[in-house]
Amino acid sequence: QSALTQPASVSGSPGQSITISCAGTSSDVGTYNLVSWYQQHPGKAPKLMIYEVSKRPSGVSNRFSGSKSGNTASLTISGLQAEDEADYYCCSYAGRVFGGGTKLTVL
Amino acid sequence: QLQLQESGSGLVKPSQTLSLTCDVSGGSISSGGYSWSWIRQPPGKGLEWTGYIYQSGTTYYDPSFKTRVTISVDRSKNQFSLKLTSVTAADTAVYYCARLVGSYMDYWGPGILVTVSS
Repeated sequence: QSALTQPASVSGSPGQSITISCAGTSSDVGTYNLVSWYQQHPGKAPKLMIYEVSKRPSGVSNRFSGSKSGNTASLTISGLQAEDEADYYCCSYAGRVFGGGTKLTVL
Repeated sequence: QLQLQESGSGLVKPSQTLSLTCDVSGGSISSGGYSWSWIRQPPGKGLEWTGYIYQSGTTYYDPSFKTRVTISVDRSKNQFSLKLTSVTAADTAVYYCARLVGSYMDYWGPGILVTVSS
């Protein structure tokens, strides 16, 4: 299975909103609502931020939201804060595959 | 609060077998119908799904590992394990264990760095 495609990097200023895309295929992202997103700070384990495309685990800020259109899932972070600076990975359970990761820089 | 902790050898020689264990505390590995997963991350690179084991004992392994990988559960010790044979330098990575709830991983261990080198 092929890795999901994410932009290598995105950036935004505090208070702004950014969106990270995750492109899959009709065999995984496009057909199944089984996309999850993980945040990873340097030297730390990944943390679940979004599951099943748009559901937010307890304790995760409502500034984080997920959506899907066709074969592409997206993670949106609104009201950017300095602590949001991290790597973000999407994951498709249907394809048993992660995206390549996106480095978010808060300017 | 569920906690996971990886342990095992941090240095493995090429062609030998990498063996890691994930200790689960704060809950039973046999309850809830969860699956248990291993994910790895080569230095400076992204996450790679190694495989996972269902509550039933059925396993899924990423095809890239072919027949080199085995994941098993020891319910008496509340832990699960990863064995990877015939390792090369390309297997150098931080290895994470995680609980798989349906389609997503909600609890992760802190990770363990395994270096393959002579």
